Amino acid sequence: GESVGLHLPTLSVQEGDNSIINCAYSNSASDYFIWYKQESGKGPQFIIDIRSNMDKRQGQRVTVLLNKTVKHLSLQIAATQPGDSAVYFCAEKVVGNEKLTFGTGTRLTIIP
Amino acid sequence: NAGVTQTPKFQVLKTGQSMTLQCAQDMNHEYMSWYRQDPGMGLRLIHYSVGAGITDQGEVPNGYNVSRSTTEDFPLRLLSAAPSQTSVYFCASGTRGLNENIQYFGAGTRLSVL
Repeated sequence: GESVGLHLPTLSVQEGDNSIINCAYSNSASDYFIWYKQESGKGPQFIIDIRSNMDKRQGQRVTVLLNKTVKHLSLQIAATQPGDSAVYFCAEKVVGNEKLTFGTGTRLTIIP
Repeated sequence: NAGVTQTPKFQVLKTGQSMTLQCAQDMNHEYMSWYRQDPGMGLRLIHYSVGAGITDQGEVPNGYNVSRSTTEDFPLRLLSAAPSQTSVYFCASGTRGLNENIQYFGAGTRLSVL
């Protein structure tokens, strides 16, 4: 199946700065995308989703951008806080298919 | 509202033993699924269910069985545990929709097979 690579990227950001986490997806048929946050020892937690008919969607301190031309998804977190330290996963879904496909994740570390 | 509850939280098995990982949700969700998470990898779908009495295979179903006799429960069975099944297992539930599938995850079961 189509999926992202095997290595877990890491990103370190100073507290208070903005962070951008990227995700490349390979299935051009995917039309729905979700970002999840996973803190150490816990299950993934839903953050925000976006449909393929949108380029941008905003939530509380988070923005998801979708570029279908290059099959790229990003999660922007504004004014990062220590509680934002976690592994962030993107997931994709194809219309008519019940299943979500997850990427390998990015570890975000907030530096106090 | 408990959400998705998984038991046990930790388990150690010997090769060849069998066990059942329990998953229960109280949100009346039709969709439930099991994933495994290995170091450096994302979540991989083992089995899923779109309603009571209906199950289907995911990406890595071998060595695992599931059943869905009620909307609330979706147990995962390991018939003969192998060291390759050492992993963290997550159960999730969610609503069904053509364009949406927000899944809510349990806290996970950490399984070691010796």
